[in-house]
Amino acid sequence: NAGVTQTPKFQVLKTGQSMTLQCAQDMNHEYMSWYRQDPGMGLRLIHYSVGAGITDQGEVPNGYNVSRSTTEDFPLRLLSAAPSQTSVYFCASRKGQRNYGYTFGSGTRLTVV
Amino acid sequence: KQEVTQIPAALSVPEGENLVLNCSFTDSAIYNLQWFRQDPGKGLTSLLLIQSSQREQTSGRLNASLDKSSGRSTLYIAASQPGDSATYLCAVHSQGGSEKLVFGKGTKLTVNP
Repeated sequence: NAGVTQTPKFQVLKTGQSMTLQCAQDMNHEYMSWYRQDPGMGLRLIHYSVGAGITDQGEVPNGYNVSRSTTEDFPLRLLSAAPSQTSVYFCASRKGQRNYGYTFGSGTRLTVV
Repeated sequence: KQEVTQIPAALSVPEGENLVLNCSFTDSAIYNLQWFRQDPGKGLTSLLLIQSSQREQTSGRLNASLDKSSGRSTLYIAASQPGDSATYLCAVHSQGGSEKLVFGKGTKLTVNP
C-alpha cells in the first residue's frame, strides 16, 4: 500500500501562474481533504470531499479549486498563484465511518515568487 | 468554534525520561482525537486515535488519554529516546457538520542523548 501520495514534493511558481497539486490514495477511502500548514497558523482546511462528485469548502478556500471524479484522486488547483499561497500543502484521507482517523501524505512545499 | 491548545510549545529532556504532552480543546462534542508526529520537512504520521467513548489508547511506549468532559488529552512517552525528537500535533474531529480536523500548534520535543 502506498497510502496517500502527493506530487510534486517541491514547486516554485511565479505570481499569476496556475498549477495543480496532485493527491492519490489507494486505500479506497471515501473522505479526502486538503490542508495548508503555515508557521504560527498551524494546519487549516482548504477543501474536502466526502465521495466522488462531492466537494465542499473548508476554512480557507479562496484561490483554490477542487474536483473529485474518482475515489482515488483529489487534485487541488491554484488558478492564479499569489505569494500568500506560499505554504506546505497536505492531502489526507480516511474511511467514511466517523470512528476512523486520517492518513496524511508527505506534503508539497510550494513557493510563489 | 473549536479551539485546540498544546502546552508546552517546546520541551527538551534528557534521554530516558518519561514525559507528558498536553492538549486541551474547548468543545467536548467530538468524534475522536488524533495524535500525530511530524519530523522536520516531513508529513504527519498518525500515532494514536482515541474515540470519544474511550479513555485511553496505547501503542508501544506511547499512551494517550482522553477526558472529554474536561476537554483534555495527554500523550505520555515512556523512556524517551533521541529518535522521539519531533513535533507532536493534537487534532480534534468535532461533531456538528464540517469535515474538519482542528489542530493545535504542536509541541516541539527534543530528546538529548
